[in-house]
Amino acid sequence: GQQLNQSPQSMFIQEGEDVSMNCTSSSIFNTWLWYKQDPGEGPVLLIALYKAGELTSNGRLTAQFGITRKDSFLNISASIPSDVGIYFCAGRLGGATNKLIFGTGTLLAVQP
Amino acid sequence: DAGVIQSPRHEVTEMGQEVTLRCKPISGHDYLFWYRQTMMRGLELLIYFNNNVPIDDSGMPEDRFSAKMPNASFSTLKIQPSEPRDSAVYFCASGPGEQFFGPGTRLTVL
Repeated sequence: GQQLNQSPQSMFIQEGEDVSMNCTSSSIFNTWLWYKQDPGEGPVLLIALYKAGELTSNGRLTAQFGITRKDSFLNISASIPSDVGIYFCAGRLGGATNKLIFGTGTLLAVQP
Repeated sequence: DAGVIQSPRHEVTEMGQEVTLRCKPISGHDYLFWYRQTMMRGLELLIYFNNNVPIDDSGMPEDRFSAKMPNASFSTLKIQPSEPRDSAVYFCASGPGEQFFGPGTRLTVL
């Protein structure tokens, strides 16, 4: 199936560092979502973005909907060990469909 | 509020057996989605429903897979007969717009 280009594939950082990851697509989306998945669990919604240029924060997390509507990024500031997990972006194409296209995921490891 | 509920959480079966996965969406959500997650293919949408009606089943792998939603609070995904390549984690998600995922069912077909 179709997937978004998400980078980096993995990150290994020290506690306290800031993290940035992004997703790009050749298609225009009307919604971008960011999820986090812990081992053995389902993805949990972190942030939802609905308008081009929108910048939204959720605690230490900040995400932006790219102006071109073809990309989005997620920043995590001052990382902590519980930030460990796999982060997925997801985009909705709009129109009549309610399908989400998911990114390939970014594995984040945080060294205490 | 209870989130999306899936059962069983783990299923181990032998090739050729029928497998039924169950999902209870969040009350009030009119969309329900079934996904499959593997290392090789990531998260794949299999099928989704709106108000209990299947809208897009283009992701269903083949005729061995079927999904039903007899009412707003229950859905099933059935695999008959199961094959080893069906081994994966199957997620159900529901939502009005954003999608909220259940904990998943880890299926192993021997």
